[in-house]
Formats: sequence, C-alpha cells, structure tokens
Amino acid sequence: SQELEQSPQSLIVQEGKNLTINCTSSKTLYGLYWYKQKYGEGLIFLMMLQKGGEEKSHEKITAKLDEKKQQSSLHITASQPSHAGIYLCGADFSQEYGNKLVFGAGTILRVKS
Amino acid sequence: NAGVTQTPKFRVLKTGQSMTLLCAQDMNHEYMYWYRQDPGMGLRLIHYSVGEGTTAKGEVPDGYNVSRLKKQNFLLGLESAAPSQTSVYFCASSLRHRRPYGYTFGSGTRLTVV
Repeated sequence: SQELEQSPQSLIVQEGKNLTINCTSSKTLYGLYWYKQKYGEGLIFLMMLQKGGEEKSHEKITAKLDEKKQQSSLHITASQPSHAGIYLCGADFSQEYGNKLVFGAGTILRVKS
Repeated sequence: NAGVTQTPKFRVLKTGQSMTLLCAQDMNHEYMYWYRQDPGMGLRLIHYSVGEGTTAKGEVPDGYNVSRLKKQNFLLGLESAAPSQTSVYFCASSLRHRRPYGYTFGSGTRLTVV
C-alpha cells in the first residue's frame, strides 16, 4: 500500500545482532498492528499500538509508535533463527477506511547462524 | 483449535477454469476478509464482509466473487481463472471492534494458474 511504507524490504543479520524494521504512514494512525509470517503459513499477531509514544515488548521484540502516530518501529534484540520470516505492519486509519486494515509490503528477515 | 481454516491449501488451475476457496471461522467474528499476497506488494484486499449476507469490494476485486451465506463461512470464487490470479490467498476474520488483536488469519491457499 502506498499509504504505508515498510523498510527495509529485506534484511540479513548475523545471529545475535539487533535489528530494526520501520513502518511509515502518510496519514495519522488510529492503530498499528505488527504481524509475523513464516513461509507457507498464515500471519501471527505480534503487537498492537494505539497511543502516541506507546511501546510494547514481547520476549525480545519491542514495537514503538511515535508521538505523531505516523511511524512505528519493530526492534529485535539478539536475533535468533526463530525470528526469521516476513514482518508486516497493518494500519487502522479508522473511519476513512471503514473497518479494513491496510498492510505494508512486508520486510523479509533472514538470520544467519 | 479455534481459528480460521482455509481449504484447499494448494491448487493448480488451468486458465479459464473456475474454483471456490472456502474460509471458515469458529470464533463468532462478524467481519471476514479475503486478501491476496504477491511478492513486493504485501497484502491487498479483494473483498470483505461485515456480517452475514453482506459483502463489499476491496482494493482488487476484479475477477473474483464472494458470498457469505452463513456467519462462519466466507467463500471466494474465481469464475474464469487467469495467470494473473496466481497468488497466495489469505482469509482473515475479526470482531466488530477488532482491538486489541486485529485480525485472525488462516494459513493461506497457494494458487497457481497455468
């Protein structure tokens, strides 16, 4: 979606290294969802952010939403092979888009052992 | 386990053939969605439904039809398949107020049209 840009498109990191994936919106976000997808499988919900400045963590993954609610980052600390997959952000633009989430193109993460 | 079930998981069609993809959810969710996923393009919404008996067009509806006769099922039909419809198709469902979990996704259907 042009309303939602993800960067980088792909990423290869050495096991143990940290990494960050960004999701930038051209509009104010009512909510921002992060999902992870493994090859051949569906999308698994990771975290949802709604308030400006909000930050949530789950195990070694931390997601933040900036104060203006137009950019979110997903940070993985000490990456492991289990973190490999496709990470997608999904935006809730609320009333303008009805009840549909708009998704970014995804970031492919590979972790080298 | 409760969730969204898609059938079939894989399918190869010849150009011009028709088929129906089935999505079933057992969570009593009001909203259901069909997306297609193509490399570099993320998920694009095909059609969606906000309740039994209702459907609406999404971003890329051409060449597809849908029906939601029962709350738990959402069917996606291809009347005359084209190679451009080769993709991975995902069904998702959500509560009317989907926060805080967003959508629940099925595991996908990988469709190849030759």
